[in-house]
Amino acid sequence: GENVEQHPSTLSVQEGDSAVIKCTYSDSASNYFPWYKQELGKRPQLIIDIRSNVGEKKDQRIAVTLNKTAKHFSLHITETQPEDSAVYFCAASSPLNQFYFGTGTSLTVIP
Amino acid sequence: DGGITQSPKYLFRKEGQNVTLSCEQNLNHDAMYWYRQDPGQGLRLIYYSQIVNDFQKGDIAEGYSVSREKKESFPLTVTSAQKNPTAFYLCASSPSAGGSYEQYFGPGTRLTVT
Repeated sequence: GENVEQHPSTLSVQEGDSAVIKCTYSDSASNYFPWYKQELGKRPQLIIDIRSNVGEKKDQRIAVTLNKTAKHFSLHITETQPEDSAVYFCAASSPLNQFYFGTGTSLTVIP
Repeated sequence: DGGITQSPKYLFRKEGQNVTLSCEQNLNHDAMYWYRQDPGQGLRLIYYSQIVNDFQKGDIAEGYSVSREKKESFPLTVTSAQKNPTAFYLCASSPSAGGSYEQYFGPGTRLTVT
């Protein structure tokens, strides 16, 4: 089955700096890569996703890049704000498979 | 936040008792999922259902059971056979089976077994 690894497990940045979270996957059939943000005690919510026919996608301060050859994808958050503090999960899935989630990155933005 | 609901938010049970967690969605989604979340381990799939009256085991199905008698409902029973049931349980739904659609999560149920 699919194996998704996520790094780092914790990340602290100063407000205004950028944050990068990286994930690798093992199944070359995976073609959908969402990123979820989970605030303490709340449900995960989708913040951005990318499909395998696209190399990069951006939504305001958030961007995701995908390297299919290397089987890795990354989340980039620019101009970080305190409200960006949360746990971020990556996931990978294929049309015939369920989602496989990474173990999460706890991001702290220091004011 | 509407669309998929879970109840109760907190649940306490004694060891050896079965307990059922509720999950309801009004999004008309075909697929529904149950995940378990433990600190530092991300989300692990317990069971999923692609259509009414059908469901498949996920990676950690032992000690759990589900039913899917209605499209909008996918209850999870944590049985006494589950060795370490204390966890945060998340239900999710997506428009269709397969992985290429966003999953929408419920607010979760925190189960504590003592």
